[in-house]
Amino acid sequence: KAGVTQTPRYLIKTRGQQVTLSCSPISGHRSVSWYQQTPGQGLQFLFEYFSETQRNKGNFPGRFSGRQFSNSRSEMNVSTLELGDSALYLCASSWDSYNSPLHFGNGTRLTVT
Amino acid sequence: SQQGEEDPQALSIQEGENATMNCSYKTSINNLQWYRQNSGRGLVHLILIRSNEREKHSGRLRVTLDTSKKSSSLLITASRAADTASYFCATDASGGGGSNYKLTFGKGTLLTVNP
Repeated sequence: KAGVTQTPRYLIKTRGQQVTLSCSPISGHRSVSWYQQTPGQGLQFLFEYFSETQRNKGNFPGRFSGRQFSNSRSEMNVSTLELGDSALYLCASSWDSYNSPLHFGNGTRLTVT
Repeated sequence: SQQGEEDPQALSIQEGENATMNCSYKTSINNLQWYRQNSGRGLVHLILIRSNEREKHSGRLRVTLDTSKKSSSLLITASRAADTASYFCATDASGGGGSNYKLTFGKGTLLTVNP
């Protein structure tokens, strides 16, 4: 069974630009969550999608947005990039049942210059 | 703010020794999970313990949960160099699959196992 796939693996952008990251969950998983990981703040929850609906959202500005498609694939978008957006962005999928563990991809390393 | 906080922040041991990491949290939980992350990679799920369980084993891993103290510990026995990684605890305080479903992670313990 293929794991969670995130593309691209690395990305370098300039302040003010926007970026779109992609995540393909494990087949059959309907829940996709996104996390931002930085050395200072650790893992911060961005949002979770289930059946194309955003079910939960973390405390990030509106520049961070996402969506989920009917095949459960998900994208997240960051507009007007800031230097502080440099981070490892992790996507995770799950069965979405109670007490269900997350399966993470290897992340997209975003560097904003 | 972080729900789970791991202790210690860093731990260095020799191969063959046991490693113990602790996690404290603040609010009531449905379950607590432990994950491992190798440098620059994604997280790998290790073990999930429900709030009504006190201890769980998986291979060389042993997890305990004390809900009265709001704390958990992860014990890795007979450690190997390949166990070198960051270890995170995560708590699920949701009602179960609903609109509040999310995991909140601590900042992790960096374990170094020296050969």
